[in-house]
Amino acid sequence: SQKIEQNSEALNIQEGKTATLTCNYTNYSPAYLQWYRQDPGRGPVFLLLIRENEKEKRKERLKVTFDTTLKQSLFHITASQPADSATYLCALDNQAGTALIFGKGTTLSVSS
Amino acid sequence: ETGVTQTPRHLVMGMTNKKSLKCEQHLGHNAMYWYKQSAKKPLELMFVYSLEERVENNSVPSRFSPECPNSSHLFLHLHTLQPEDSALYLCASSQNHGSQNGYTFGSGTRLTVV
Repeated sequence: SQKIEQNSEALNIQEGKTATLTCNYTNYSPAYLQWYRQDPGRGPVFLLLIRENEKEKRKERLKVTFDTTLKQSLFHITASQPADSATYLCALDNQAGTALIFGKGTTLSVSS
Repeated sequence: ETGVTQTPRHLVMGMTNKKSLKCEQHLGHNAMYWYKQSAKKPLELMFVYSLEERVENNSVPSRFSPECPNSSHLFLHLHTLQPEDSALYLCASSQNHGSQNGYTFGSGTRLTVV
């Protein structure tokens, strides 16, 4: 069955540095991959979507890469700020193509 | 507000109670979803509706019963729940079902079963 792994449960970095989060998947070749941010007690918020034929996508300080050979996506936040502290979720389509399935998430803490 | 509204925000219910969770969106989306989020676990897909038709029931126990009366509203009817059903229940919507569009989530209903 499909599996999504976000390797780090927690990541702590200093303000101003670049945070890099990893998402690996197995037993599937998704057409799309998405990243979300979730704050405690709230629903996830959509950040970026990348298609299988796109290598990289950017939005302001965010950058996502999608390597279908390695079955991996990297999510980068440059010039990180304490306000970026949250849990970041990787998601891809289920095998039926009807909905997203999610990884457990990586909790990022940015200290000033 | 994200455009997807869930009520109530918090719910405490006994194992013999019957209650309903409500989700509403006025984004013009055609697909709506229920997810369950428990501590230390990834979001679990429960149900998918597209144009008011259920397209996926992800092996969810019958004590959870969804209803989609129109494309703007989604309900989750609960009865004879177990303590392990305590979790954050999230509703989401998207333009079409699947993954080619981002999802808009509500803030969730925090359910505690006592």
